[in-house]
Amino acid sequence: DAGVIQSPRHEVTEMGQEVTLRCKPISGHNSLFWYRQTMMRGLELLIYFNNNVPIDDSGMPEDRFSAKMPNASFSTLKIQPSEPRDSAVYFCASSLQYTEAFFGQGTRLTVV
Amino acid sequence: AQSVAQPEDQVNVAEGNPLTVKCTYSVSGNPYLFWYVQYPNRGLQFLLKYITGDNLVKGSYGFEAEFNKSQTSFHLKKPSALVSDSALYFCAVRPPSNTGKLIFGQGTTLQVKP
Repeated sequence: DAGVIQSPRHEVTEMGQEVTLRCKPISGHNSLFWYRQTMMRGLELLIYFNNNVPIDDSGMPEDRFSAKMPNASFSTLKIQPSEPRDSAVYFCASSLQYTEAFFGQGTRLTVV
Repeated sequence: AQSVAQPEDQVNVAEGNPLTVKCTYSVSGNPYLFWYVQYPNRGLQFLLKYITGDNLVKGSYGFEAEFNKSQTSFHLKKPSALVSDSALYFCAVRPPSNTGKLIFGQGTTLQVKP
């Protein structure tokens, strides 16, 4: 298995633009997590899904952020409109229930 | 509230010396416990986990961790540090439920000096 695949690896966008980050979890995993990492705030859990259903989105910063998981093999995190303070590295991770999560390489987002 | 604490922002050790990176947690029930490592510009890599059984668990790259239920701790250890172990280390917990989310500590930077 190729592991968790995220795209794009890097994204530079202008303030106000829509940004979509993509994630393909490991086949067979039924939990999916989106995290954001910054120097100031560390690693923050934004949202996680279990069997494609959003379980906890309390970490989503505000309504500008939305996440979907239309099927077991794909998830998106969308920011609309983007702001400079959204600049961070966004990680997707997947796991089987109760077990360790495996992380993608991350998407480095820069909003200018 | 469920939480994980890594009390040290940075740990410095000399190569060849033993290392310990501390982690304590506050989660009800019997959570699952994990350690991850992150190298610069990379994603987090799984090192080891405690689910049940022996309190001392062994993982990748010679690392081990000791679970202490009474102290609610899960400290990461290695008998002899390498310069290549220098990285950012995260402790994580996951409540044992169908909807248990994975909660991370703030991370500890390990610096191993030659």
